[in-house]
Amino acid sequence: ETGVTQTPRHLVMGMTNKKSLKCEQHLGHNAMYWYKQSAKKPLELMFVYSLEERVENNSVPSRFSPECPNSSHLFLHLHTLQPEDSALYLCASSQEGSGITGNEQFFGPGTRLTVL
Amino acid sequence: GEDVEQSLFLSVREGDSSVINCTYTDSSSTYLYWYKQEPGAGLQLLTYIFSNMDMKQDQRLTVLLNKKDKHLSLRIADTQTGDSAIYFCALYKAAGNKLTFGGGTRVLVKP
Repeated sequence: ETGVTQTPRHLVMGMTNKKSLKCEQHLGHNAMYWYKQSAKKPLELMFVYSLEERVENNSVPSRFSPECPNSSHLFLHLHTLQPEDSALYLCASSQEGSGITGNEQFFGPGTRLTVL
Repeated sequence: GEDVEQSLFLSVREGDSSVINCTYTDSSSTYLYWYKQEPGAGLQLLTYIFSNMDMKQDQRLTVLLNKKDKHLSLRIADTQTGDSAIYFCALYKAAGNKLTFGGGTRVLVKP
């Protein structure tokens, strides 16, 4: 248990569906992240939220829409996805400005997304 | 941009030592991390090293950093079957508050 939970763990959706991924951290951190992990590709950072403000958006298509209502919760809203969006989506959190270990990120278990 | 490279696969016998290598191009990273990912799970932080250190030992894990060659390695002593996983190196730069990950090395421990 890393203190970061993600739901659902598995999701299968059609290209016309709308779904949301949820991440919750119980560590009192002030930064949260969405990563995409595809087969045979390095981890891709998608979005970064620091103090509930989006500070990074790595050219992610608009069919992915993040939301951070508070420092403990992070959502990734999905709509009209493509089959190539099938991947493991990982959420992470960290405490910015902690000094000792820089940006030690704690990861959730991920949501395995399959787009049909 | 940054480039972080790892070999794809490593096979090792139980009880032997494993060495996982990572090379990078940007030398301005302040912290360097090793993460472990077991099947069906997220990434678990194993250990880290500050950029001003050459070596760090933590039980069965030894991290070596060669800044001149931009080479980071993780040595696992007495490798166990439970060490079978994918291992990622990751570099942190304070500017941009960003972690850059390597592609991961899949380690298979054979009995």
